[in-house]
Amino acid sequence: DAKTTQPNSMESNEEEPVHLPCNHSTISGTDYIHWYRQLPSQGPEYVIHGLTSNVNNRMASLAIAEDRKSSTLILHRATLRDAAVYYCILKDYGGNEKLTFGTGTRLTIIP
Amino acid sequence: DTAVSQTPKYLVTQMGNDKSIKCEQNLGHDTMYWYKQDSKKFLKIMFSYNNKELIINETVPNRFSPKSPDKAHLNLHINSLELGDSAVYFCASSQDLGHSGHHTDTQYFGPGTRLTVL
Repeated sequence: DAKTTQPNSMESNEEEPVHLPCNHSTISGTDYIHWYRQLPSQGPEYVIHGLTSNVNNRMASLAIAEDRKSSTLILHRATLRDAAVYYCILKDYGGNEKLTFGTGTRLTIIP
Repeated sequence: DTAVSQTPKYLVTQMGNDKSIKCEQNLGHDTMYWYKQDSKKFLKIMFSYNNKELIINETVPNRFSPKSPDKAHLNLHINSLELGDSAVYFCASSQDLGHSGHHTDTQYFGPGTRLTVL
């Protein structure tokens, strides 16, 4: 699986938007970009995924660069509940299902 | 309703013992997984089963033996526990198996089992 690079940590103020970046310069044409997050003392939780176009769901938005070598997870209005480690993961369409987790970005929300 | 459940939540045991962790999903999914999260918080796949058949085995010592009595259950049995087995173990499930050509699907994780080997 191609690798992803994320900042180790980020901070954001409560009720402000948060942009979490991810670089994946070796992404292949069949790789989907997935985001999961892990809240303290919980299992990972799916956030969003996309292939080429930007995606929105009730949790977040995913902005994918035109060359697909980077993406940004956007939390539109961070709350204290959004404090978690966010993982950007590439998964090959048609490949096996395993998720290869990196170190992720630890997001701290400041009240 | 808990989608993916694991028991026990905590497990403390002595080196050399044999123990099992149970996982059940009520989502009707075909594929189940075990992941290990070590003390440095790295999450790594161990096994994957699809319809009771082993699909992924990521160079895990053979002291670890997954068992899938039916597609809703994937239990993890560990023989001769070692100090290095101390970790949080997460079970997960998903609907589709990627290599079947279906769109890769969301994985749902259980709450984890914290195993401490003394």
